[in-house]
Amino acid sequence: DTEVTQTPKHLVMGMTNKKSLKCEQHMGHRAMYWYKQKAKKPPELMFVYSYEKLSINESVPSRFSPECPNSSLLNLHLHALQPEDSALYLCASSQGIQRKLTKNIQYFGAGTRLSVL
Amino acid sequence: AQKVTQAQTEISVVEKEDVTLDCVYETRDTTYYLFWYKQPPSGELVFLIRRNSFDEQNEISGRYSWNFQKSTSSFNFTITASQVVDSAVYFCALSEARAGGTSYGKLTFGQGTILTVHP
Repeated sequence: DTEVTQTPKHLVMGMTNKKSLKCEQHMGHRAMYWYKQKAKKPPELMFVYSYEKLSINESVPSRFSPECPNSSLLNLHLHALQPEDSALYLCASSQGIQRKLTKNIQYFGAGTRLSVL
Repeated sequence: AQKVTQAQTEISVVEKEDVTLDCVYETRDTTYYLFWYKQPPSGELVFLIRRNSFDEQNEISGRYSWNFQKSTSSFNFTITASQVVDSAVYFCALSEARAGGTSYGKLTFGQGTILTVHP
């Protein structure tokens, strides 16, 4: 089973709203990722969590706030977003981020399509 | 710096034709992984294959085959007897393993190739 579940599938929010995206995996993976994907572009890495700790923040604006409450869950809290933040937000997980090369296949969810009005 | 180039922006074929998607990469690392992902209109990136830099053996999986050539830094993907369900965006990606530390597994994606298979 290589399933990563993301909710909601679609989200429309105003610039003053606060919302959260949720990602869940039950593959025992210890690394989880958030990506942002604009139309007709490749995914861009935002955050990486390893063992529930933030390992990488790719200089993402503070209006995006990630949280990893446990090894199976990853949230992305959204606040005061801009219309240009409208995109497909993808979550991924992998066994780990260690140098051992057998562990870094990332499995992706179907994403949340976010529209900021 | 690492870079992945997919020169073909869009490809259109008729069902049952064979199609090859090109991927050229640049990296200074001697140890790395190459990947292909498929993204259908539903949005999910579906993992297709991973190849490590030590293994230049080509691979065939059903109608899919991959040709990895280190000499030309290419990792091309061929679909034999294409089907309408193969219509999707295909991404080639590179992941480096940095010596002396952890690899955070950052994937460097190409720009993607939009494949349309007409009935």
